[in-house]
Amino acid sequence: DAMVIQNPRYQVTQFGKPVTLSCSQTLNHNVMYWYQQKSSQAPKLLFHYYDKDFNNEADTPDNFQSRRPNTSFCFLDIRSPGLGDAAMYLCATGRGGRGTDTQYFGPGTRLTVL
Amino acid sequence: RKEVEQDPGPFNVPEGATVAFNCTYSNSASQSFFWYRQDCRKEPKLLMSVYSSGNEDGRFTAQLNRASQYISLLIRDSKLSDSATYLCVVNDEWPDKLIFGTGTRLQVFP
Repeated sequence: DAMVIQNPRYQVTQFGKPVTLSCSQTLNHNVMYWYQQKSSQAPKLLFHYYDKDFNNEADTPDNFQSRRPNTSFCFLDIRSPGLGDAAMYLCATGRGGRGTDTQYFGPGTRLTVL
Repeated sequence: RKEVEQDPGPFNVPEGATVAFNCTYSNSASQSFFWYRQDCRKEPKLLMSVYSSGNEDGRFTAQLNRASQYISLLIRDSKLSDSATYLCVVNDEWPDKLIFGTGTRLQVFP
């Protein structure tokens, strides 16, 4: 059974048109993460929520926002997608240990910007 | 210097071969270590954790050398289905901030 679910799996948007990606989890994990992964590159952490506390990475563009209305759901909003934002967006969850635990990834949403 | 460095490959090996991947990390205070596998256009999946004592899971053996800040993965008797990118991952901070290497690509041929 899927534990981290992402919708949609594929998203096509136009340059500048806002888009929202969705992630849900059945693991009841405290932490939810959003990563951006471009071709042949490592996943890059954008931000994470520890419960309701939002933590932004220093180099995440303002164009990227996130919402976590409850434990199970987390959203990634891209306010004005540019061509450079085309990528795979990965959601992951974790228990929130002290540097000892791993993360569980969803299948990703592949974003195309036209 | 990158926080986690890997040889990007690709490593092209025949079925049945033994292949080893290496990884170095820069933060000596890193707490835990993992190898993830990522198939083309799919999400990373945990392959195994890496412990100082070394650990083995079937054909896969992982080793950690904290003094040298070096992690390795050995795959014995390679299968076609092992073809993938192998990501070296280090867990540095609370809460569990994973630092990924860029991955080593493995291609196993018949």
